[in-house]
Amino acid sequence: DAGVIQSPRHEVTEMGQEVTLRCKPISGHDYLFWYRQTMMRGLELLIYFNNNVPIDDSGMPEDRFSAKMPNASFSTLKIQPSEPRDSAVYFCASSFDPGTREQYFGPGTRLTVT
Amino acid sequence: GQSLEQPSEVTAVEGAIVQINCTYQTSGFYGLSWYQQHDGGAPTFLSYNGLDGLEETGRFSSFLSRSDSYGYLLLQELQMKDSASYFCAVSGGYQKVTFGTGTKLQVIP
Repeated sequence: DAGVIQSPRHEVTEMGQEVTLRCKPISGHDYLFWYRQTMMRGLELLIYFNNNVPIDDSGMPEDRFSAKMPNASFSTLKIQPSEPRDSAVYFCASSFDPGTREQYFGPGTRLTVT
Repeated sequence: GQSLEQPSEVTAVEGAIVQINCTYQTSGFYGLSWYQQHDGGAPTFLSYNGLDGLEETGRFSSFLSRSDSYGYLLLQELQMKDSASYFCAVSGGYQKVTFGTGTKLQVIP
């Protein structure tokens, strides 16, 4: 398997623009997670899905952020409008093991909002 | 809520042994995991402890004491490539995992 796939790998956009990050989880994994990582706040869980259904979105910073998972092989994280403080690395991860709860992370999307 | 504490930085000599501690406060605790992240890379899973005791995987071992809300990651025979950040993470309800702030390990010759 190719692992978790994220696109784009880098995104530079201007304040106020809409940003859409994409993720393809590992086939067969039934959990999908979106994280944001910054130096100041570390690795924060934004939202996670189980079988395409959002389970916990309490980490989503505000209404400007939204996430969808229309099917088992695709998820998006959208920021509209974007702000400079949204600049971070956004990771998508998937998992299936209820024992170890091991999460497989994608390579991340480095977002810069100017 | 959940909170984890781990040292922010550790320096150790190549070939030596280093221990990274993690204490946590959480509700609905299922287990403690450890992840490694190299600069510019993604976190990768190292180990999981669901029960008290020591789990060994090659040069890495992880320990958990549920009664003390404490765990550690032990790295033996340190190599330069072990220089990275190490995160402890607690598992709660469903598959939710909360990560600590990470310990940056620098291995020096």
